Amino acid sequence: DAKTTQPPSMDCAEGRAANLPCNHSTISGNEYVYWYRQIHSQGPQYIIHGLKNNETNEMASLIITEDRKSSTLILPHATLRDTAVYYCIVRVGNQGGKLIFGQGTELSVKP
Amino acid sequence: DTAVSQTPKYLVTQMGNDKSIKCEQNLGHDTMYWYKQDSKKFLKIMFSYNNKELIINETVPNRFSPKSPDKAHLNLHINSLELGDSAVYFCASSQRKVTQETQYFGPGTRLLVL
Repeated sequence: DAKTTQPPSMDCAEGRAANLPCNHSTISGNEYVYWYRQIHSQGPQYIIHGLKNNETNEMASLIITEDRKSSTLILPHATLRDTAVYYCIVRVGNQGGKLIFGQGTELSVKP
Repeated sequence: DTAVSQTPKYLVTQMGNDKSIKCEQNLGHDTMYWYKQDSKKFLKIMFSYNNKELIINETVPNRFSPKSPDKAHLNLHINSLELGDSAVYFCASSQRKVTQETQYFGPGTRLLVL
């Protein structure tokens, strides 16, 4: 699985959009980009995933660059409950198996 | 209803003891996992079972022995506990699919070895 690079921490004002970047320059053609988050003292929670097209669901949007070497997770209207560690993971989508978690980005949403 | 549940939530024990932690999922998934999160917050896969068959076994001391009595349950038994085993252990489950596979995590078991 390809490695990812994320900033260790970010701040965001409540109600504003949170844009979390991720670099995955060694991503292979069949590897998906997944985002999970871990709210303090809880288990990781799936947010969204994509291959090459931009994706949106009720939680977030995922923007993947055309060369697929980086992506951005967007929380359109961040709330205090979005304070968490956000993990960007790339893995082959059609094989079951481990998620390789990096250090992630610690997002602090402030009032 | 809790999708992935773990028991106990907290476990405090002495070095050298043997303990088990249990995981159950009611999502009908065919694959289950154990992850360990250490004090530095790194999350790392330990084991995975698919349809009760061990498919992932990372470099884990053989004091750790997973057991899957059926697809809905995955237990973790730890022999001769050591201080370094103190961590949060997360269970997860997923359903094998061709295009994507989302893992659902339990709330974690916080193990403290004294």
